Amino acid sequence: KNQVEQSPQSLIILEGKNCTLQCNYTVSPFSNLRWYKQDTGRGPVSLTIMTFSENTKSNGRYTATLDADTKQSSLHITASQLSDSASYICVVSVFSGGYNKLIFGAGTRLAVHP
Amino acid sequence: IAGITQAPTSQILAAGRRMTLRCTQDMRHNAMYWYRQDLGLGLRLIHYSNTAGTTGKGEVPDGYSVSRANTDDFPLTLASAVPSQTSVYFCASSRDSGDSGANVLTFGAGSRLTVL
Repeated sequence: KNQVEQSPQSLIILEGKNCTLQCNYTVSPFSNLRWYKQDTGRGPVSLTIMTFSENTKSNGRYTATLDADTKQSSLHITASQLSDSASYICVVSVFSGGYNKLIFGAGTRLAVHP
Repeated sequence: IAGITQAPTSQILAAGRRMTLRCTQDMRHNAMYWYRQDLGLGLRLIHYSNTAGTTGKGEVPDGYSVSRANTDDFPLTLASAVPSQTSVYFCASSRDSGDSGANVLTFGAGSRLTVL
């Protein structure tokens, strides 16, 4: 069964600290992996997209890594800011049945405290 | 500002009533989607449309219908709402439905629906 598991479920860190969020997936066949940021009361916004051949991709203070062999991805946030408080969602893509099927993780809720 | 507009932002309605959630995009994207987001679960696809005039069923289509009369609009209708349809509904669009790593989904701000 295609699944995307994220950990931790929630995380609290102090402003300025780094953190790493984890994503494990069992999706097959794998197409690409995406990380989204969802602020409270808003829709998800794309941070990164990686294909199976990419190991790392950065977007400012956000760096995503992908290990297609172990089916694991991580999102590293450097020098966190209060505005980083949000849910971070890992999404794995499978092209199946005529459309790009996205399998969404339940997200990691990050709170950055001053 | 280019993007997706959803309406209403929130709605409370009685079980058995009919409800249509509206979604409009101005990016000329070919593909559009409706997702529901429930606490503790990942977003789940309800219906999708690869291009104007076509629609398809997603993961949880029962109790919902959609239409795609033109490129910009993709309304979601609940014919007879039930309490289990209480959720936050997100409309999304993408340039196309192909298997491209650059095919980013743009989401609306969501519509919070409560069925009593």
